[in-house]
Parts: sequence; C-alpha cells; structure tokens
Amino acid sequence: GQNIDQPTEMTATEGAIVQINCTYQTSGFNGLFWYQQHAGEAPTFLSYNVLDGLEEKGRFSSFLSRSKGYSYLLLKELQMKDSASYLCAVDSWGKLQFGAGTQVVVTP
Amino acid sequence: EAGVVQSPRYKIIEKKQPVAFWCNPISGHNTLYWYLQNLGQGPELLIRYENEEAVDDSQLPKDRFSAERLKGVDSTLKIQPAELGDSAVYLCASSLVGSGTGNTGELFFGEGSRLTVL
Repeated sequence: GQNIDQPTEMTATEGAIVQINCTYQTSGFNGLFWYQQHAGEAPTFLSYNVLDGLEEKGRFSSFLSRSKGYSYLLLKELQMKDSASYLCAVDSWGKLQFGAGTQVVVTP
Repeated sequence: EAGVVQSPRYKIIEKKQPVAFWCNPISGHNTLYWYLQNLGQGPELLIRYENEEAVDDSQLPKDRFSAERLKGVDSTLKIQPAELGDSAVYLCASSLVGSGTGNTGELFFGEGSRLTVL
C-alpha cells in the first residue's frame, strides 16, 4: 500500500511564505505531483518532480528528496487567491495516489 | 482547446436508484481516469483506462459500480443501486501518456459530478 501524509491546514498572512510538507511511502516511484484545488472546483496541476532537488515556477517551488520520501511545496508572496487545498500525489507505476490535501488559508 | 467535460454537474437521487455520469476527455488523450472525492479528502482512483482497455479497476466496487469507454474516447460511470455512502464528487481526468511508459503524466480534471444520495 501507500501512505501519503500532509498537514490538514495551514494559515498564513498575505505576502508571506508558506511551506507545505508531504511525506510518502510507496512501493514504486515515478514522480511526485502537486495540484491546487479551490473549493468546488477541479484540481489543477502545479508542479512535477521526478529527480531530487528544487523546481521553481514563478511564486511556487517544489522540492523532492527520494531517499527521504519527502517533498515540499513553497508558496511565496502569498495572495488571497492562493487560499485553496494543495494536494500531494505520488505516481507509482502509472497509479496516481493523492494525499488528503492541505487547506491553506490566506488572511489579510 | 476544450477541457475535460463532465455531466451532470449535480445529481440528487434516493438510495437504491441508479445514476450515471458521463465524461468527455481532452481530444487526443489516450488515458482516462475516474476518481471519487469525499469532502476534505484527496481524490481516490476508481478506474483507469488506456484507450478502451481498463488497465486498473482494482478499487472499483464491482458489485454496484460499472464503467465503460467503448470507443476509447468518452466514458460512462454507473452506480446501481446507489447507497447513502456514495454521496461524493466523481471526478474524471485525462492525460496523454506514452504507451508503455508506466507514467501518469499531468492529469487534466473535469469540474466533477456532485452526487447526493438521500
């Protein structure tokens, strides 16, 4: 089986930085995805890591350590529109398994 | 380019009634997924198709759930009979994956079909 763990909720102030951690234990590993999901909407792709290291894309960055089974998503210069659930998902031989999601609340 | 289209967006039925959801993936995407999402949880895979073949249906409750993708394009997910615990959002997603890669690739999700069973 697979375990994907991420915090349930995080609160941060507009303009600040938030780091969402994800740990995983899987029987196979083809990469790790981060998706953003606003309430009542579909998940949308944010980032993909398959090799160790940091991937930067604008205000969002994602890090992966395969040996530690660990990833984080870094959100910089937070905006109110960033209030959403952030889903960590592991691709294990073509099977994408999602964590429960981290609800990020951005306050003024 | 049109995204993944699902219908209906909302459905309310009484328990023991049948229900069906339809999904049209992004044109050219060979892989199609049905996920179930409960409130406050991440999506859970029900079934994955590569073209018209169901390559992973291990988590589909086959006593009441069925799915088909006859021509390798659009797909239907059916529940018969529905139970109270089936109330959830049913998400369809598609991706373009190289044959035999074993990789998922980026998934494109539809808006989902929200089912309420009374």
